[in-house]
Amino acid sequence: NAGVTQTPKFQVLKTGQSMTLQCAQDMNHEYMSWYRQDPGMGLRLIHYSVGAGITDQGEVPNGYNVSRSTTEDFPLRLLSAAPSQTSVYFCASSTGGLYDTQYFGPGTRLTVL
Amino acid sequence: AQSVTQPDIHITVSEGASLELRCNYSYGATPYLFWYVQSPGQGLQLLLKYFSGDTLVQGIKGFEAEFKRSQSSFNLRKPSVHWSDAAEYFCAVGSGANNLFFGTGTRLTVIP
Repeated sequence: NAGVTQTPKFQVLKTGQSMTLQCAQDMNHEYMSWYRQDPGMGLRLIHYSVGAGITDQGEVPNGYNVSRSTTEDFPLRLLSAAPSQTSVYFCASSTGGLYDTQYFGPGTRLTVL
Repeated sequence: AQSVTQPDIHITVSEGASLELRCNYSYGATPYLFWYVQSPGQGLQLLLKYFSGDTLVQGIKGFEAEFKRSQSSFNLRKPSVHWSDAAEYFCAVGSGANNLFFGTGTRLTVIP
């Protein structure tokens, strides 16, 4: 049982490049979410999904796209990276939503130059 | 709008000493309250949560927290800290509207 996995662990991008952060869970959780963590700030919710085919915006969705084609996977896409997107990104999953016990992945540290 | 304040950026305690981490929130109704812990290089792990009922909540790893409505606080406590408790601790509040607001965290250092 791997829990929540995220790839890559580290990534450096140039401004304007695109990339996809991968997130997968093997716990059959319906709910998945993406957060970003910036120095001196708490985690902020980017997007979330309550099940395959259903996604919605969180607090800071601009510049990010998501889709949920399977229960297991919830990728986060940066279409045109900006330095303001330099952050650590965490994916989480749970059975019952934000207020249920969320299981977090180890994070992806992204630097945009 | 909801907000969460963790006034202490960094706390240092000796192993075996008691611990209290402060959390204050701003929200009109009864919020959903959480404490998470993040060990270095790891994702967050839920320690405990409060929705309603008994205002003293027990969590994992020997932690507890008390909801005090009059003080808008949800402080985390542990009677005797272990070296393995060194980590960053985050308080979070939700309103039931599909969002969750995290505080800026308190880093705990444990001295042997």
